[in-house]
Amino acid sequence: SQQGEEDPQALSIQEGENATMNCSYKTSINNLQWYRQNSGRGLVHLILIRSNEREKHSGRLRVTLDTSKKSSSLLITASRAADTASYFCATDATNFGNEKLTFGTGTRLTIIP
Amino acid sequence: GAGVSQSPSNKVTEKGKDVELRCDPISGHTALYWYRQRLGQGLEFLIYFQGNSAPDKSGLPSDRFSAERTGESVSTLTIQRTQQEDSAVYLCASSKLGRGAGANVLTFGAGSRLTVL
Repeated sequence: SQQGEEDPQALSIQEGENATMNCSYKTSINNLQWYRQNSGRGLVHLILIRSNEREKHSGRLRVTLDTSKKSSSLLITASRAADTASYFCATDATNFGNEKLTFGTGTRLTIIP
Repeated sequence: GAGVSQSPSNKVTEKGKDVELRCDPISGHTALYWYRQRLGQGLEFLIYFQGNSAPDKSGLPSDRFSAERTGESVSTLTIQRTQQEDSAVYLCASSKLGRGAGANVLTFGAGSRLTVL
């Protein structure tokens, strides 16, 4: 079963607008990560936020984490056509000795030029 | 190597045949994962290797699926008696940090696309 679920499942916006995607998860976590996938192939790591952090920035990316609500959001500012991809959140549970990453269902983002 | 290498990149097989998919992780990465991704879907965890510890096989969907890894090197995912529902992209990923070491930042291979006719 999926640990995380992203919403919306699909999002289309105009180039230059901001895109926000959300991720909810079920169990306590050590860290939450966001990945991007182009063309249905390998995923690329974007950013990691630890369970004791609330917000993190990397370039045009801003991630927030609310452990009380078990949710995270990924904001992409000033979107570009190249940002078109699927975005996944991934979590590793706090169970000792079992830190495998479990991925959410993904948000398919389309940037309209 | 510089990245995670998977082979073959594409495999078309007939129902009932066995297939082997190979993954070469980044040198020094102690953790290795296999995921399955059906068309338009998310990633489905299959198996997780961490050094010499027993692998976490909890995601393998049936006994037709098996995987091996020798030490911290190459891994092979084997699917016996393939079925049409096995058609998917099989993704391998490796990471520098594994069990008990905190964050696992994964580097993915490009995947092996399996089509079962």
